[in-house]
Amino acid sequence: EDKVVQSPLSLVVHEGDTVTLNCSYEVTNFRSLLWYKQEKKAPTFLFMLTSSGIEKKSGRLSSILDKKELSSILNITATQTGDSAIYLCAVVGGTSYGKLTFGQGTILTVHP
Amino acid sequence: NAGVTQTPKFRVLKTGQSMTLLCAQDMNHEYMYWYRQDPGMGLRLIHYSVGEGTTAKGEVPDGYNVSRLKKQNFLLGLESAAPSQTSVYFCASRPGGSRGTGELFFGEGSRLTVL
Repeated sequence: EDKVVQSPLSLVVHEGDTVTLNCSYEVTNFRSLLWYKQEKKAPTFLFMLTSSGIEKKSGRLSSILDKKELSSILNITATQTGDSAIYLCAVVGGTSYGKLTFGQGTILTVHP
Repeated sequence: NAGVTQTPKFRVLKTGQSMTLLCAQDMNHEYMYWYRQDPGMGLRLIHYSVGEGTTAKGEVPDGYNVSRLKKQNFLLGLESAAPSQTSVYFCASRPGGSRGTGELFFGEGSRLTVL
């Protein structure tokens, strides 16, 4: 069965700090890894990483996939209070009809 | 511009009562999913559907039933609610086959409390 583990489970930083969130996975026939940000309601999509796209960047957020180590990191530079959220990592396996297996999430709190 | 809509958004039940959560999507997506979210446990898949008339079990299906009679709707039923089913429930959808990028489109969630 597919498995995703995120670390740390929670993190408290101050504005301007840089954070790195980790995600490791075990999946049969890996197809993609996705990062989501969840504030008060539904998760919102950040990045999708695949074998053909192992690095993504959007503004202060960036993510890298390490297929050898079966892991991914999400970096946030110059954090702001608006970055406070739960960050979810999920993977899609080849025989799973597109269903995502999620990790526990990392709760990020950014203080002014 | 509705996307994925869940009803109701909040519900309080007594143990043993039954209820149905409705998920409707207007994006013509083939695949639909029901997840539950509990503190510290991320999102766990309850049931999913890869097309009208089909359903399949996820990782935590016990105590739930689902139906997909129409492509745009995916219903989640609790026949006899238990306190362990207190949770936030999310419905999601995505295009099927090669049209899907992997990204799921989520509803805003339904908070269910079972007393």
